[in-house]
Amino acid sequence: SQKIEQNSEALNIQEGKTATLTCNYTNYSPAYLQWYRQDPGRGPVFLLLIRENEKEKRKERLKVTFDTTLKQSLFHITASQPADSATYLCALASALAGGTSYGKLTFGQGTILTVHP
Amino acid sequence: DTEVTQTPKHLVMGMTNKKSLKCEQHMGHRAMYWYKQKAKKPPELMFVYSYEKLSINESVPSRFSPECPNSSLLNLHLHALQPEDSALYLCASSRTQTGTNEQYFGPGTRLTVT
Repeated sequence: SQKIEQNSEALNIQEGKTATLTCNYTNYSPAYLQWYRQDPGRGPVFLLLIRENEKEKRKERLKVTFDTTLKQSLFHITASQPADSATYLCALASALAGGTSYGKLTFGQGTILTVHP
Repeated sequence: DTEVTQTPKHLVMGMTNKKSLKCEQHMGHRAMYWYKQKAKKPPELMFVYSYEKLSINESVPSRFSPECPNSSLLNLHLHALQPEDSALYLCASSRTQTGTNEQYFGPGTRLTVT
């Protein structure tokens, strides 16, 4: 069966360090992988999208990698700040036969990141 | 305007009540989504509308009835719900229904069924 795993339920780091979150998947042929941030009681907020033919994507202090051989994405926050504390969700949009993908996102269970001052 | 709005923010209803959740976006997006999220779990897709037509129904019980009156509005009609339906209901929209488009989420409606 298809499975998405974010291998840490919780991650605690010190301010200024780099946070690295992992998303692994099995039995998917994803065309696109997305990362979202969710604060308590709020809806998820889109952060980054990476395509299967892209190895790496950056946006400010955020970096995402996508390795379709390892079936893994890594999400990095450099120079982390207490304001980065939130739940981070990876989500996969799978390709349909014919090469198109549709917007059925399946989310991982999330990693709760806490950045300590 | 990159906002998705949802009303009400909170809703408490009995198992015999009928209520509706409302979602609105003015970004010109042609795909709209309903998700259900239980505590400490990820959002789970319920319905997708694409160009105002129901595109995906993830085998949701008929006590949940979606409606898309126009390209900016999405409703979720609730009837005869069960206590286990208590959850955060999230609406989202995207430019079109493809995996290349990020989804914009509303703040959600916190539903409690008593």
